[in-house]
Amino acid sequence: DAGITQSPRHKVTETGTPVTLRCHQTENHRYMYWYRQDPGHGLRLIHYSYGVKDTDKGEVSDGYSVSRSKTEDFLLTLESATSSQTSVYFCAISPGTSGGSYNEQFFGPGTRLTVL
Amino acid sequence: AQSVTQPDIHITVSEGASLELRCNYSYGATPYLFWYVQSPGQGLQLLLKYFSGDTLVQGIKGFEAEFKRSQSSFNLRKPSVHWSDAAEYFCASGRGATNKLIFGTGTLLAVQP
Repeated sequence: DAGITQSPRHKVTETGTPVTLRCHQTENHRYMYWYRQDPGHGLRLIHYSYGVKDTDKGEVSDGYSVSRSKTEDFLLTLESATSSQTSVYFCAISPGTSGGSYNEQFFGPGTRLTVL
Repeated sequence: AQSVTQPDIHITVSEGASLELRCNYSYGATPYLFWYVQSPGQGLQLLLKYFSGDTLVQGIKGFEAEFKRSQSSFNLRKPSVHWSDAAEYFCASGRGATNKLIFGTGTLLAVQP
């Protein structure tokens, strides 16, 4: 299994509070991603990173920010949590394309976030 | 816009029966296609992937998938389902150098004894 950990694994917070989720990898992969999973929507990309300090938005980025100061860590921050951000959050990593191949993403175990 | 469609939200099969899960994609260029499986409370595990070449790809756990460009499909199959195959299955399409994935909404598989 790819070396990906997420912390915390579960969190309950109140509306309006800031929340930071952490993704840590030991694979030295270039790309890191944050997804949210909601019933009926599958997984949707929030933000991704293609290198240290290099990040970009995904399809559902409103209300979220990210940072990547080291190759191994990718942080997702909810500046002011809302109930609509109650979800399961998954981090993924990928080495990117190499030798003409399109490398798959490897997923972490997920963080279940509840915003009351 | 690129999209992935899984028409079946929920499927129930009997143990030992064959299985086919449907996936349709829309993408102008050659797609990169994946099937992932998610057991309850777990992360996603890659079953198989298609980049190019042979249109029938073999994966783990006895699964296979066939890419059909004319039908824009990448259906997942297994000849004989085991109770441990009960899970949610996601089809995904990749695009661009950044490896961003577009996921379908998933198909929940139940296996009857």
